[in-house]
Amino acid sequence: GDSVTQMEGPVTLSEEAFLTINCTYTATGYPSLFWYVQYPGEGLQLLLKATKADDKGSNKGFEATYRKETTSFHLEKGSVQVSDSAVYFCALKMRLTNAGKSTFGDGTTLTVKP
Amino acid sequence: DGGITQSPKYLFRKEGQNVTLSCEQNLNHDAMYWYRQDPGQGLRLIYYSQIVNDFQKGDIAEGYSVSREKKESFPLTVTSAQKNPTAFYLCASSDPSGGANTGELFFGEGSRLTVL
Repeated sequence: GDSVTQMEGPVTLSEEAFLTINCTYTATGYPSLFWYVQYPGEGLQLLLKATKADDKGSNKGFEATYRKETTSFHLEKGSVQVSDSAVYFCALKMRLTNAGKSTFGDGTTLTVKP
Repeated sequence: DGGITQSPKYLFRKEGQNVTLSCEQNLNHDAMYWYRQDPGQGLRLIYYSQIVNDFQKGDIAEGYSVSREKKESFPLTVTSAQKNPTAFYLCASSDPSGGANTGELFFGEGSRLTVL
């Protein structure tokens, strides 16, 4: 079945450091790929997405590129802030079906220290 | 504002009791989902519904039940048969129809259930 593997956390960085959170996937078809962010005590919210190979999703300084050849969707940010401290989830959904199910990674907790 | 409303935000239950978590959306989405989140783990799908009056079991449906009588509402009942119900429950919706089907999920703020 489909699966998503995320870099294990927690990750602790100093403010203005460069961030990479690795995400690789296994899927039998052509998924859409997503990064969601969860702040403490809240639900998840979409951070960025990409729906086909070589697409780059970007939002709030975060970027991720859909790499079909390496089945990856790594999240990057050039300069993190304390307010970026949260849990980040990589996820996929198969585009050509309406089965409705998304597959999530286990999440990576990021803490940014001033 | 459009969105998903979950209630209650916190709920305490005694063993042997059934509890119902509410989820209401005004996004006019067809599909709705319930996920369970445990500390340090990803989201696990409990039930999902693609259309009114229809729903499907997810990966961990045992001990849970749902209904979908209205498009806007998808309540989840945690029954006494659920052996380890203490968790954070998240409701979500998406619109799978239309040309721009990215399958993006919209989440509520969650309900935290604690069994005493």
